[in-house]
Amino acid sequence: DTEVTQTPKHLVMGMTNKKSLKCEQHMGHRAMYWYKQKAKKPPELMFVYSYEKLSINESVPSRFSPECPNSSLLNLHLHALQPEDSALYLCASSHAGAKGGYTFGSGTRLTVV
Amino acid sequence: GENVEQHPSTLSVQEGDSAVIKCTYSDSASNYFPWYKQELGKRPQLIIDIRSNVGEKKDQRIAVTLNKTAKHFSLHITETQPEDSAVYFCAASRGAGTASKLTFGTGTRLQVTL
Repeated sequence: DTEVTQTPKHLVMGMTNKKSLKCEQHMGHRAMYWYKQKAKKPPELMFVYSYEKLSINESVPSRFSPECPNSSLLNLHLHALQPEDSALYLCASSHAGAKGGYTFGSGTRLTVV
Repeated sequence: GENVEQHPSTLSVQEGDSAVIKCTYSDSASNYFPWYKQELGKRPQLIIDIRSNVGEKKDQRIAVTLNKTAKHFSLHITETQPEDSAVYFCAASRGAGTASKLTFGTGTRLQVTL
């Protein structure tokens, strides 16, 4: 298995909703990442997990809450989002120490209404 | 932190011509430089990467060169084809420790015309 799987592919949520994005990989990668990508912009790092521990938080608002239950799974819990949070949310994984490049998932296209 | 600049922002070439995209980085400790191709509505896909102990790497029609002294690296695509049309991102990271933070350039929209 050489893929990173993200669900759902599309999500529309209201500003008072709580939802979660899910990411799964079975490549034995011990580093997992959440990126946010706005239209016509590069991906921007949000969080890095290394060996299931949060190692980098790029000053992301607390309405985004990451979770890494095990070495294969990464979640992003969403609560009280704003319309400007609408974007493509990309999960990625890599070998720790960048022995290889990132593998990105297909992303979740999030719309906040 | 790392800052990666990428030029040009758009590039139009005729099928069969070569395309060159250039990036500069600011952190001299960066040692890993991947290039990603992103088609509209799809995920970024790694197309080639280079590490700081290598000056050039080639994979069929794609090559990357790195100049550590000048802190710049370039993507070269030869014999371009319509399916090469996409947005290309360069990136840089230190690649040290237990996880690497990739900093992306602003992207180049490549259009290959018939």
